[in-house]
Amino acid sequence: RKEVEQDPGPFNVPEGATVAFNCTYSNSASQSFFWYRQDCRKEPKLLMSVYSSGNEDGRFTAQLNRASQYISLLIRDSKLSDSATYLCVVNKKAAGNKLTFGGGTRVLVKP
Amino acid sequence: DAGVIQSPRHEVTEMGQEVTLRCKPISGHNSLFWYRQTMMRGLELLIYFNNNVPIDDSGMPEDRFSAKMPNASFSTLKIQPSEPRDSAVYFCASSPAAGDRVFQRFFGQGTRLTVV
Repeated sequence: RKEVEQDPGPFNVPEGATVAFNCTYSNSASQSFFWYRQDCRKEPKLLMSVYSSGNEDGRFTAQLNRASQYISLLIRDSKLSDSATYLCVVNKKAAGNKLTFGGGTRVLVKP
Repeated sequence: DAGVIQSPRHEVTEMGQEVTLRCKPISGHNSLFWYRQTMMRGLELLIYFNNNVPIDDSGMPEDRFSAKMPNASFSTLKIQPSEPRDSAVYFCASSPAAGDRVFQRFFGQGTRLTVV
């Protein structure tokens, strides 16, 4: 079983709609969580950190469920520019500052 | 501010040749990471350095791969001899060694390697 698993998609989303997707992690000792965004043929970039109480950044909302070991990302009022691959990223305290990246969920926003 | 700079951006080489990828991290960042990304395996950590010292090379696939960081502003990843299965995008990333951004990776634009 992979440490970090994501539905690869694609999630086809009409412009203006809401889309949400999850990421599961296998190690209960995981302590820090992030969402990165990667545009086609570009480098990954940090989108947002995920805090225990959940957090928002504009149209993006991230949630953490430690009991079920998953994190989620919700995008409201989707824009064409939101089309990208979203990478779930996890850190375990024992791993120092190493991060484990999920395979990514591809989102395609269409007019 | 300049970001992480990688060179070359694209490399096409024949099987058996030596390939050297280069990276200049963000000034002031103490940690440097080399990743490989393929469709099949996603983004994999190959090796990382703290203060120019290799800390974890457990992701380096085999002895054909080697990495060095002779100073705080330069690192290389070498593949010798190269094989077609090494074809991938290789990313270099840097981050501060401490503070609230220690878990943020600043990626270079990557080197797209094709071994024929």
